[in-house]
Amino acid sequence: DGGITQSPKYLFRKEGQNVTLSCEQNLNHDAMYWYRQDPGQGLRLIYYSQIVNDFQKGDIAEGYSVSREKKESFPLTVTSAQKNPTAFYLCASSKGPNSSGNEQFFGPGTRLTVL
Amino acid sequence: GENVEQHPSTLSVQEGDSAVIKCTYSDSASNYFPWYKQELGKRPQLIIDIRSNVGEKKDQRIAVTLNKTAKHFSLHITETQPEDSAVYFCAAAGGTSYGKLTFGQGTILTVHP
Repeated sequence: DGGITQSPKYLFRKEGQNVTLSCEQNLNHDAMYWYRQDPGQGLRLIYYSQIVNDFQKGDIAEGYSVSREKKESFPLTVTSAQKNPTAFYLCASSKGPNSSGNEQFFGPGTRLTVL
Repeated sequence: GENVEQHPSTLSVQEGDSAVIKCTYSDSASNYFPWYKQELGKRPQLIIDIRSNVGEKKDQRIAVTLNKTAKHFSLHITETQPEDSAVYFCAAAGGTSYGKLTFGQGTILTVHP
């Protein structure tokens, strides 16, 4: 299960606090993605990055921020502006655009709970 | 952008039966359709995928069919086993969603021994 890692596995946050979720990959992949998973709603895209120093908003970017300063790393910050942040967060990476048939590989996920 | 609908949301079968999960997509320019399996508490993993230039693809007990005209694709699992129990997600990429996947809502498959 190596290749793409996320930390921490579980994270507890008080309301009003910002928290940063880590995602690292050693697969030499150009593209990286952040998803939020809620029961019954599948995977919803928060942000994605096709190349270093560039990223785009996904379908539910409000209340989140990202950076892509290194190819291997794509941290996600959940800000206090995110109204309902309790969820399972999945990071993924792919060699190139998915439209070219490039498989997305997922990390093990971080379960965030707001107290 | 792309919209993917997946049905059914839950599916219960007896061991040895077949299971079929269907997805429809909205963007006729989409060209890549993967299926992921997610076991409880684990990460999604790719089980099979298909490109738009192919109508069917098989891998042992798993097959995927694609109908570009109707814009739908299906996952077929034959001779189901209890270890097939999981959540299955379809996805689509290409067209206006170039470079990224749009996922369906997921199907909870339960295989009873």
